[in-house]
Amino acid sequence: ETGVTQTPRHLVMGMTNKKSLKCEQHLGHNAMYWYKQSAKKPLELMFVYSLEERVENNSVPSRFSPECPNSSHLFLHLHTLQPEDSALYLCASRDTGRYNEQFFGPGTRLTVL
Amino acid sequence: AQTVTQSQPEMSVQEAETVTLSCTYDTSENNYYLFWYKQPPSRQMILVIRQEAYKQQNATENRFSVNFQKAAKSFSLKISDSQLGDTAMYFCAFTLYGGATNKLIFGTGTLLAVQP
Repeated sequence: ETGVTQTPRHLVMGMTNKKSLKCEQHLGHNAMYWYKQSAKKPLELMFVYSLEERVENNSVPSRFSPECPNSSHLFLHLHTLQPEDSALYLCASRDTGRYNEQFFGPGTRLTVL
Repeated sequence: AQTVTQSQPEMSVQEAETVTLSCTYDTSENNYYLFWYKQPPSRQMILVIRQEAYKQQNATENRFSVNFQKAAKSFSLKISDSQLGDTAMYFCAFTLYGGATNKLIFGTGTLLAVQP
């Protein structure tokens, strides 16, 4: 498989559940990102990892917990979410030595009941 | 702080015609990149075209071209010979040059509908 993949593609969870979103990049990139995309709002950057080290946490509530075990994988652990957390969660990766463009995964559509 | 503004929430164009999407940005920096991303209904965000700020020549990619006006901080996207597959949300984005933590700053998007 090529590019950036995300699983699951759809997730419905209750406010007391714990779940995880997974992102995998097959591009040999060295930086990975989590974004939140809500209707009629610009994409919101949540977390940045560079060489497996978190370099930015953009004031995200602690109910979102990222993990980057290696340069190819990125997780977003979710617990005690709120209905307003329902959104499309996009993962992206980038080769910081080239062009600055980011390559995106297809996203996980999250619904919190 | 950098900002990106897309003033056209929705646009429509007939198949085979040309459409231009507007984008303006604000920055005090001199070295940066600008991008147009496309997000079709299937949701995967893909890069359409990039422009390095130090290059005066406008970028082109097949039917897609930009009009980059650095002094005016304007970066519009022209789609020629529009096709049904061009129907998507289009995002203009900005990033400073270099560094893993340099953020992509996105506009709110323009929803383009190509009509048969």
